[in-house]
Amino acid sequence: AQKVTQAQTEISVVEKEDVTLDCVYETRDTTYYLFWYKQPPSGELVFLIRRNSFDEQNEISGRYSWNFQKSTSSFNFTITASQVVDSAVYFCALSEALLWTGKLIFGQGTTLQVKP
Amino acid sequence: SQTIHQWPATLVQPVGSPLSLECTVEGTSNPNLYWYRQAAGRGLQLLFYSVGIGQISSEVPQNLSASRPQDRQFILSSKKLLLSDSGFYLCAWRSGGAANEKLFFGSGTQLSVL
Repeated sequence: AQKVTQAQTEISVVEKEDVTLDCVYETRDTTYYLFWYKQPPSGELVFLIRRNSFDEQNEISGRYSWNFQKSTSSFNFTITASQVVDSAVYFCALSEALLWTGKLIFGQGTTLQVKP
Repeated sequence: SQTIHQWPATLVQPVGSPLSLECTVEGTSNPNLYWYRQAAGRGLQLLFYSVGIGQISSEVPQNLSASRPQDRQFILSSKKLLLSDSGFYLCAWRSGGAANEKLFFGSGTQLSVL
């Protein structure tokens, strides 16, 4: 069965600190996708990244970076020099890739609070 | 550009009352449409998805139903709400074709069943 675990329920940091959000997944699929979404207080989920299981290259986008390690089944998300606007709930998600139906298995989410 | 609309934003309904939540997508044709629910303190769970008009797939047995009367319209319904139906309901879409395997979500409906 597929499962996503975000062990950190809440994280609080002070602005400009770096913060890493952990994501560990379980799947029997050999080909799959991993996602990160941001849910600001307004409620909508904002797509951040999709990673294919065959691509283990780390990715950087501005202050955001993602570390995908198949060996440990982890897909961690780091925000460098955090800002108050980064305060949100962040979700990691998993889906199969061969017959993609849009069914994402979400983790419980990590609430990030960035204090000024 | 594509946009997705959900309404209402919040809803308070008594137990046993009916429900109708609507979602529409603009700026695209033949999207795949989805209803997800986020229960309090839990992650999101897929309820229904649709690949075309009149085509509905249900992921979990529940007190809810979905319909797709038009290409860009997706409706979530219930004849009689239960307390356990409370939650945050999100509609999502994706365009068809390869390399489009990501979902775009609406702003959600917070449903409280009392």
